[in-house]
Amino acid sequence: AQSVTQLGSHVSVSEGALVLLRCNYSSSVPPYLFWYVQYPNQGLQLLLKYTSAATLVKGINGFEAEFKKSETSFHLTKPSAHMSDAAEYFCAVSGSNFGNEKLTFGTGTRLTIIP
Amino acid sequence: DAGITQSPRHKVTETGTPVTLRCHQTENHRYMYWYRQDPGHGLRLIHYSYGVKDTDKGEVSDGYSVSRSKTEDFLLTLESATSSQTSVYFCAIRSGQKNSPLHFGNGTRLTVT
Repeated sequence: AQSVTQLGSHVSVSEGALVLLRCNYSSSVPPYLFWYVQYPNQGLQLLLKYTSAATLVKGINGFEAEFKKSETSFHLTKPSAHMSDAAEYFCAVSGSNFGNEKLTFGTGTRLTIIP
Repeated sequence: DAGITQSPRHKVTETGTPVTLRCHQTENHRYMYWYRQDPGHGLRLIHYSYGVKDTDKGEVSDGYSVSRSKTEDFLLTLESATSSQTSVYFCAIRSGQKNSPLHFGNGTRLTVT
C-alpha cells in the first residue's frame, strides 16, 4: 500500500521568494510520484512526475522536485514565486505496477502568494 | 483538458434520490476513474475502470456504483443520495502506458440537501 503526507495545508510566500512544498511518501514497492496543481473551479493538472529515470525532475511553470529515497521525500520547489502560482498543490504516489493500480493523493497544500 | 467532459457541472438534489454523473472522453483511453474531493481529505478514489464492463472499487465506494458500457463513457451513480455525498466529483482518464499520468475533467459539484 502507498500513502503520501503533505506537510502544511497552507503555505504563504512573498512574490519572488522561494516556494517549498513538502511531500513524504510511504510505499512498499519502488514508487512513482506525481505533483498536480489545481486552480479554482478546475480539475487537476500534472506539474511533474518521477518515474525513476532521474532524481531531479523538472516540470511546467518553473517547478521542480527532487526524489530522495533516504528521506522518502519528494518536495516541490520553485526559485521565485509568481502571483499566478497561487493554487492548491497535490502530491500523489502509485506503486511500480501502475496498471490497475490506483493513484493515492495527499490532502493538498494551498499556496498563497503575498504581493 | 485532455478531451474529458463531465456532466452536469453542478447539481442540487434531495436526500434519498438517485443521481447519475457522466464522464465522457474522446481520447480512447483504457483507464477511467472517479474521485471525490473534500476539504481535509484531498482526493479519494471511489471506483475505477480498466476496460469496458471492467470496474473495481476504490477506498470510498460505499453508496456508489459505476458502469462502463462503452470505452468513452463512465457513469457514477449514487443509488440513494445522502448529505455526506455532497462533494466535488472528478473523473480522470489514463492511457495504458506504464507511468502515464492521470488527466482530469473539470469536476461536478454535487449538493445533497
